[in-house]
Amino acid sequence: GNSVTQMEGPVTLSEEAFLTINCTYTATGYPSLFWYVQYPGEGLQLLLKATKADDKGSNKGFEATYRKETTSFHLEKGSVQVSDSAVYFCALSGAGETSGSRLTFGEGTQLTVNP
Amino acid sequence: GAVVSQHPSWVICKSGTSVKIECRSLDFQATTMFWYRQFPKQSLMLMATSNEGSKATYEQGVEKDKFLINHASLTLSTLTVTSAHPEDSSFYICSALQGAREQYFGPGTRLTVT
Repeated sequence: GNSVTQMEGPVTLSEEAFLTINCTYTATGYPSLFWYVQYPGEGLQLLLKATKADDKGSNKGFEATYRKETTSFHLEKGSVQVSDSAVYFCALSGAGETSGSRLTFGEGTQLTVNP
Repeated sequence: GAVVSQHPSWVICKSGTSVKIECRSLDFQATTMFWYRQFPKQSLMLMATSNEGSKATYEQGVEKDKFLINHASLTLSTLTVTSAHPEDSSFYICSALQGAREQYFGPGTRLTVT
């Protein structure tokens, strides 16, 4: 079956540091890949997505590239801000589908950015 | 953007009682809603898919008689935890599907069974 593995947290960084959160997956076929963010007290929000190999999703300075050869979708940001403090979830859905189909989530990574 | 609400945000109930959690899409109609369960420091696990006007589809291992799901309108789905026990204590999250596109998530409901 499908599965998603994220790097263990929590992750604590200073403002303007470089961020990488690793995500690898196991799936049959060609899934779509997503990063969701959950701010304190709020629901999950879609941060970015990629639907096919070598696609790069980007939003709010975050980016991730769909790497089929390494089955990875690592999240990166060049300079984090205090406001980026949240829990980040990597997820996948069935091949060629939008996030409207069933999602499989990683464990989530808590990010804290200190001023 | 699309907003999904959940009510209550937290609830404490006694063992053996039932509790209902509501999930509403506030500014769009959702023919499909999803219910997830999240344990501390663990991933979201899909419990069931709720379709308006039809029976919910439960994931393997989820007791449909214990977790009753009703999707009576295009903006409301409810999850009722029947005869709750302490092991049912968890964070329950719903999401609503807008069209065939993105899932919009509610803020979650913290259930504690004493």
